Amino acid sequence: AQTVTQSQPEMSVQEAETVTLSCTYDTSENNYYLFWYKQPPSRQMILVIRQEAYKQQNATENRFSVNFQKAAKSFSLKISDSQLGDTAMYFCAFMKPRGGSEKLVFGKGTKLTVNP
Amino acid sequence: DGGITQSPKYLFRKEGQNVTLSCEQNLNHDAMYWYRQDPGQGLRLIYYSQIVNDFQKGDIAEGYSVSREKKESFPLTVTSAQKNPTAFYLCASNGGNYEQYFGPGTRLTVT
Repeated sequence: AQTVTQSQPEMSVQEAETVTLSCTYDTSENNYYLFWYKQPPSRQMILVIRQEAYKQQNATENRFSVNFQKAAKSFSLKISDSQLGDTAMYFCAFMKPRGGSEKLVFGKGTKLTVNP
Repeated sequence: DGGITQSPKYLFRKEGQNVTLSCEQNLNHDAMYWYRQDPGQGLRLIYYSQIVNDFQKGDIAEGYSVSREKKESFPLTVTSAQKNPTAFYLCASNGGNYEQYFGPGTRLTVT
């Protein structure tokens, strides 16, 4: 079974600075997807970024980028120019393609606080 | 607007009562999911359904039941057999592009 580990329960960063959230996973699969979800105080889960394992290029979405190291099974999220609205829980998640009923396996999350 | 709705946002029940949480989507997605979230925990899968009239147990299905009579609806019943039902419950759907879309969640408190 796949497992996802987020080793930083809490982190803080000053506004406008850069922060990196760590995620490691364990799988014997070769084809899979990785995601970072954001859960602000409203508790709505919001997809931040996704990475296909077969793509070597790291995904980027505006201020968010990942460092995907497939051999090391590492998938960290970098947030540049942090904003107060980035304050949230961040969850790393793993998905194995299964033809329509894919299940997400989540880490326990990292609580990020952006300080003014 | 397309999306997933969950109602109510907050739900209170007495111990020993069954309670049903609603989840509706108008995204025309086939697959739907129920997750449970506890403090300090990630989301854990309760049940999922790939098509109408079919569903499978997730990692923590004991004490829960579901139905999938319509594509748009996937209600979750928390039964009295669930030993620790107080939690935040999230419904999601998958449109086939490997991305899951989440509803706003229901906070269930059982006393």
